[in-house]
Amino acid sequence: KAGVTQTPRYLIKTRGQQVTLSCSPISGHRSVSWYQQTPGQGLQFLFEYFSETQRNKGNFPGRFSGRQFSNSRSEMNVSTLELGDSALYLCASSLANVGTDTQYFGPGTRLTVL
Amino acid sequence: AQRVTQPEKLLSVFKGAPVELKCNYSYSGSPELFWYVQYSRQRLQLLLRHISRESIKGFTADLNKGETSFHLKKPFAQEEDSAMYYCALIPYGSSNTGKLIFGQGTTLQVKP
Repeated sequence: KAGVTQTPRYLIKTRGQQVTLSCSPISGHRSVSWYQQTPGQGLQFLFEYFSETQRNKGNFPGRFSGRQFSNSRSEMNVSTLELGDSALYLCASSLANVGTDTQYFGPGTRLTVL
Repeated sequence: AQRVTQPEKLLSVFKGAPVELKCNYSYSGSPELFWYVQYSRQRLQLLLRHISRESIKGFTADLNKGETSFHLKKPFAQEEDSAMYYCALIPYGSSNTGKLIFGQGTTLQVKP
């Protein structure tokens, strides 16, 4: 089975812009979770989608949003970018028959905000 | 609050030495616990999870509910074990679905 894929792999944006990141889960996986990874804060949970519905959300401002499509692919959007949004954004997919299913991670999208 | 603590940022051992990566958690219930590993230039991947009780690449981890710990152990370290290791938990409950809580990670360096 192909693994989780994320596009693009690298992005450079300027403050105030918005960005959309994409995640394609492993075939058959219905849950997609998103994480932000920074040197200072480590890995932090952003949100989780299952069957096109957001089931869980972390402590991030409303500028961070996401959605999931009927084929389980997910997108994450960050509006009005700030310097502090520079990070590696990871998505992970799971079967999610139960909420504690093993998550499998993509390679990440490296976002740099100038 | 739910929290995972990995007290060591860096653990350096010689090849063939035993390894123990420490992980302590703070959670009132019984969480599902994981160890993930990230090798250089590779994606984060699952090493093992508590519920499966498997031994992967010679690593084992035992849940100690009394001490709220889930330390990762290997009797004889290999150079290829050098990587970043993350301990993580998912609390049970419908409000916590898909939410992995990670520790800050420990870099394991195995010297020849």
